[in-house]
Formats: sequence, C-alpha cells, structure tokens
Amino acid sequence: GENVEQHPSTLSVQEGDSAVIKCTYSDSASNYFPWYKQELGKGPQLIIDIRSNVGEKKDQRIAVTLNKTAKHFSLHITETQPEDSAVYFCAASKESSGDKLTFGTGTRLAVRP
Amino acid sequence: DAGITQSPRHKVTETGTPVTLRCHQTENHRYMYWYRQDPGHGLRLIHYSYGVKDTDKGEVSDGYSVSRSKTEDFLLTLESATSSQTSVYFCATLTGRVGETQYFGPGTRLLVL
Repeated sequence: GENVEQHPSTLSVQEGDSAVIKCTYSDSASNYFPWYKQELGKGPQLIIDIRSNVGEKKDQRIAVTLNKTAKHFSLHITETQPEDSAVYFCAASKESSGDKLTFGTGTRLAVRP
Repeated sequence: DAGITQSPRHKVTETGTPVTLRCHQTENHRYMYWYRQDPGHGLRLIHYSYGVKDTDKGEVSDGYSVSRSKTEDFLLTLESATSSQTSVYFCATLTGRVGETQYFGPGTRLLVL
C-alpha cells in the first residue's frame, strides 16, 4: 500500500521567516495531496491541497509544490506568524479525492515571536 | 467543519470493558471514517463506511468494530478495551463527490487503565 514519509518531525522558526515541510510518497498512482493543520485540542483542518495535474498551488502565505517524478510534495509557509504554530499533516490518495488518504506522521511547527 | 460532533469528548475506562464512541454529522455526507492518532504514527484508519450498513476495515482494525444504521451516525466500539487502545480518536466525513476532501471532528480522548 501507499507509504507517506514526512520531515522534519519538529520545526522551529522565527516569526517572519519561512517554513518548509516535505513529504515523499511511494505509490506513483497517487494523484491527490492535501495538507492539514491541527491546533491543540482540535481535529485536523484542510489548509491547501494539490492534484497531480498541477505542479504548484498558492493561497496567500501558503503554497504547495508537487514533483511527480521524484514523488515528493512540500508545504511552504512564508512570513510565519505565531498563529501558524500547530501540527501539520500531509496525506496522499489515489482516488482523486479525500477517500482512502494515507497520512504522514506530522510536523510540529513552532513560530517564535 | 461539516457539522461533525463526537461523543464523549473524553473518557476514562478500565481494561476489559466495552466502549462505544459516537460520531454524528449533519451534512448528509455519504462517507465516514474512524482514525486513531498516536505520537509518531500520525492518523491511522481504523474503519470506514461508504453508506448505511456498508462498512470496511482500515489498516488498524483489530479490536474494533463499527456500525452505521443511519447516514448521520457512525459508531466505533471497542469490545474489550486494552491499554494499547489509549489514543485520540477522530471521525471524518466526505461527500463522495470527486475532488472533495475529508472533514474532521473534534476528537475523543480515550484513556484505558
């Protein structure tokens, strides 16, 4: 089955700096890649997603890039703010949607004021 | 948040006792999922449902059973709780339409003593 690896497991950045989280996947048939943000005591919330027919997608300070050849995708957060502090999860699916998601192990991001 | 509620939100129980967790959604989403979240493992799928009385196993289904008698409710049962089932449990839903992603509930924190 699909295997998703996520790095780093923890990341600490200064407010205003950029943060990058990377994920690799094993199944070349995977075609949908969402990113979720989980704040303390809450469930994961979708922040951005990308499909295999697109190489990059941006939403304000958040962007995701996808390299299908290398089978990896990355989350980029620019101009980080303290409210960006959370755990971030990547995921992959072959179903062109959120069905049958395989999740990475998560990255705990801390933004220092 | 797709109108997802989970009950109870917190539970402490003893080894060997049965436990049932409830997920309730108000958006008439066809697909529903149960995950467990543990440090270092991310989110792992326990069981899922594609409709009323249509359920199947995920990657960590041993020791768990589910039932879905109504579209809006998805129950997760631990027949005889063990300490290894101490975890945070999340329910998620999906419309089933192409391009949609999963929405997560707030979670249930379960401690098995």
